[in-house]
Amino acid sequence: DIQMTQSPSTLSASVGGRVTITCRASQSITGWLAWYQQKPGKAPKLLIYKASSLESGVPSRFSGSGSGTEFTLTISSLQPDDFATYYCQQYNTYSPTFGQGTKVEIK
Amino acid sequence: QVQLVESGGGVVQPGRSLRLSCAASGFTFSNYAIHWVRQAPGKGLEWVAVISYDGSSKYYAESVKGRFTFSRDNSKNTVYLQINSLRAEDTAVYYCARVQTRWELSDAFDIWGQGTMVTVSS
Repeated sequence: DIQMTQSPSTLSASVGGRVTITCRASQSITGWLAWYQQKPGKAPKLLIYKASSLESGVPSRFSGSGSGTEFTLTISSLQPDDFATYYCQQYNTYSPTFGQGTKVEIK
Repeated sequence: QVQLVESGGGVVQPGRSLRLSCAASGFTFSNYAIHWVRQAPGKGLEWVAVISYDGSSKYYAESVKGRFTFSRDNSKNTVYLQINSLRAEDTAVYYCARVQTRWELSDAFDIWGQGTMVTVSS
């Protein structure tokens, strides 16, 4: 299985701040990477697919980049609604795998 | 309204069986593969299984292979996850999720159900 490693596991940030989360794959997944946001007690929500494509309805302050084995999710100006846990997911194979998650907390 | 609704969770003794259902509405169900993803309390997301749009292909995580069986009934817009020989480590919220692109087996998940909780305890 392809292992996905996210960093950091937790980060504290202020409203209006810029946030970057990194996801590394154990082998190349070209651009088959998605990012999800999950709030407590809720299902994950798709933010980014194909590494950098913004899902419909997702605010433009969210962006994704990368290819191969290294990817990033950036939130350009953190809003109160963005405090949540974020997961990356590779779907290069028929057995997709998720990163362990990054919890974004209020500073 | 495009949605998936899971049901069938509950408290079950170790070694027993359970069948989860995921009912779809608001889209052409027979065009899309469906995945199950689970999340143990306080933990991250773990992929469980996938079934192709027509049910002809199925893949399972190693941790559930041989105990979980995934099926679908396109006439009822529903998928089923049969879980046998339940273990404590199967305790989790189980989500069904739709792939983003018609016909694709492996893809981002754009529609998720609300989840159904399975607790394995004696």
